[in-house]
Amino acid sequence: LAKTTQPISMDSYEGQEVNITCSHNNIATNDYITWYQQFPSQGPRFIIQGYKTKVTNEVASLFIPADRKSSTLSLPRVSLSDTAVYYCPAGNKLTFGGGTRVLVKP
Amino acid sequence: ETGVTQTPRHLVMGMTNKKSLKCEQHLGHNAMYWYKQSAKKPLELMFVYNFKEQTENNSVPSRFSPECPNSSHLFLHLHTLQPEDSALYLCASSPRTGQYEKLFFGSGTQLSVL
Repeated sequence: LAKTTQPISMDSYEGQEVNITCSHNNIATNDYITWYQQFPSQGPRFIIQGYKTKVTNEVASLFIPADRKSSTLSLPRVSLSDTAVYYCPAGNKLTFGGGTRVLVKP
Repeated sequence: ETGVTQTPRHLVMGMTNKKSLKCEQHLGHNAMYWYKQSAKKPLELMFVYNFKEQTENNSVPSRFSPECPNSSHLFLHLHTLQPEDSALYLCASSPRTGQYEKLFFGSGTQLSVL
């Protein structure tokens, strides 16, 4: 069963860049890498998805090395409203893991 | 607004009660999911429906009974629950099942079993 590992928590300050790395154990050849954001008492929200190299959208960037055994979500210039839990579920969506709790301080 | 609506938002029930959670999606998706999120525990997939057919039951106790009458609606019928079943129950949808599909989640039903 696919499984991911990511840090439990990270602290940052407003205006800084936050990078969260996820290790992908047993990632399959056809698995995509997807990141979600969850605020308290809400469901997770899709942020970004990629297969290899780099993907960028209006919210974040996703860096995936050639071996695809990890990925890094980059949040540029975070604000207080970026305080949330960030997940990198395994490709089949069955395993979300505990996520990374990001706290942005003023 | 994600296009996935769950009702009720909050529910308190006794262990002998029978209640139902409702999920409706307005996205034209064909796959729907139930997840459970307990305090300080990861999201757990419970059930998956694809084109109204159940394709996944992740070893969920029979006191949880899902129903998918059409691709837009999903129910979770609850009976004789235990206090440890208290959790946030999340519904999600996607165009179809498949690991490359984005999931759209509702805001969840916060369930308390007394």
